Amino acid sequence: GQQVMQIPQYQHVQEGEDFTTYCNSSTTLSNIQWYKQRPGGHPVFLIQLVKSGEVKKQKRLTFQFGEAIKNSSLHITATQTTDVGTYFCAGRGGSQGNLIFGKGTKLSVKP
Amino acid sequence: GAVVSQHPSWVICKSGTSVKIECRSLDFQATTMFWYRQFPKQSLMLMATSNEGSKATYEQGVEKDKFLINHASLTLSTLTVTSAHPEDSSFYICSGSGQGREQYFGPGTRLTVT
Repeated sequence: GQQVMQIPQYQHVQEGEDFTTYCNSSTTLSNIQWYKQRPGGHPVFLIQLVKSGEVKKQKRLTFQFGEAIKNSSLHITATQTTDVGTYFCAGRGGSQGNLIFGKGTKLSVKP
Repeated sequence: GAVVSQHPSWVICKSGTSVKIECRSLDFQATTMFWYRQFPKQSLMLMATSNEGSKATYEQGVEKDKFLINHASLTLSTLTVTSAHPEDSSFYICSGSGQGREQYFGPGTRLTVT
């Protein structure tokens, strides 16, 4: 079945450094979503991408949907301590496919 | 911002009994509500999507007769776990979506079946 893999599993950065997490699907996707979960909190929806090659920005966050619509990335520029948390991607394979979540990338930021 | 509440926040029940979890959007109308489960230290799994006034759409592999979802109003959806078993023990999270695509998540309900 469809699998969604995220790398890295953990990332430790110094405040001010950039951070990127990658999401790869075993099948093509109709859309991909990104979520952030703070420690002890519940997931917060960040964005949804639906088009091949789509790039969207939210302040210091840049989301990209690959040309092959099988992969996506989230890039944070100049991390801050408030960026700490686990970032999940979730991809849907076709309009009838399940929404499969990746295992998440846990980001820690050292001040 | 938009707030979603869940009740109860945790519940312990005996095997074979049914448990109902409520999800409410407090300050917006949730035309669509989503139900997820999250196992310890694992990712979220979408169980079903429900639109107000219509039957829920279940993800593949989720038993619709076991996990009954009702979305009778724009501010309330319920998930009933019928004939619960220990393997149903999990963290159940709902989210609501209004006019936009953004989802607002509830705080979750921890279910333990003994």
